[in-house]
Amino acid sequence: GNSVTQMEGPVTLSEEAFLTINCTYTATGYPSLFWYVQYPGEGLQLLLKATKADDKGSNKGFEATYRKETTSFHLEKGSVQVSDSAVYFCALILSGGYNKLIFGAGTRLAVHP
Amino acid sequence: EPEVTQTPSHQVTQMGQEVILRCVPISNHLYFYWYRQILGQKVEFLVSFYNNEISEKSEIFDDQFSVERPDGSNFTLKIRSTKLEDSAMYFCASRGTLQGADTQYFGPGTRLTVL
Repeated sequence: GNSVTQMEGPVTLSEEAFLTINCTYTATGYPSLFWYVQYPGEGLQLLLKATKADDKGSNKGFEATYRKETTSFHLEKGSVQVSDSAVYFCALILSGGYNKLIFGAGTRLAVHP
Repeated sequence: EPEVTQTPSHQVTQMGQEVILRCVPISNHLYFYWYRQILGQKVEFLVSFYNNEISEKSEIFDDQFSVERPDGSNFTLKIRSTKLEDSAMYFCASRGTLQGADTQYFGPGTRLTVL
């Protein structure tokens, strides 16, 4: 079936370290891909998205490239900050009129000074 | 910036009781959703709602669940007879259009605890 797999957390980094959170998907057709972030005590916020192969989504220094050949959408940031500590969710929406988000399990990121 | 709001933030109830979770979507949005996240598990789709009817529902959304848009602003999720396994964080979301990549905006969630 359609699914999203994320690397398990928690991921613990020092400030200014490089971040990668892996995300791969299984889907029929050509899904749109998303990263959502959940800060402590808050709801899910869209971080970035990509709608077709080779698209790169970017926001707040985060980037992810839609790789159809590897069915991946890995999240990267060159230099993390303490304020980036949150849970990150990879998700997809199927093409063809479906409109529900299918989420990965989430990856908790903790950044220390 | 417009936002989705949810009340209450935390609801504690006894098994078998009815609960109503409330959401106020963004005012000009037309498509509404409920998701839930059991502690330590994935965020799961429950139901989508458009034009005053359910457009899609998951296997989780059985006869114990119902949704309603009673007026022009609220969107509610009712669980008729709660079970222990209904304990979870429930998120409401809304979007403006049905384009595949259009953003769904999420509320902060209601934590439901069933004792």
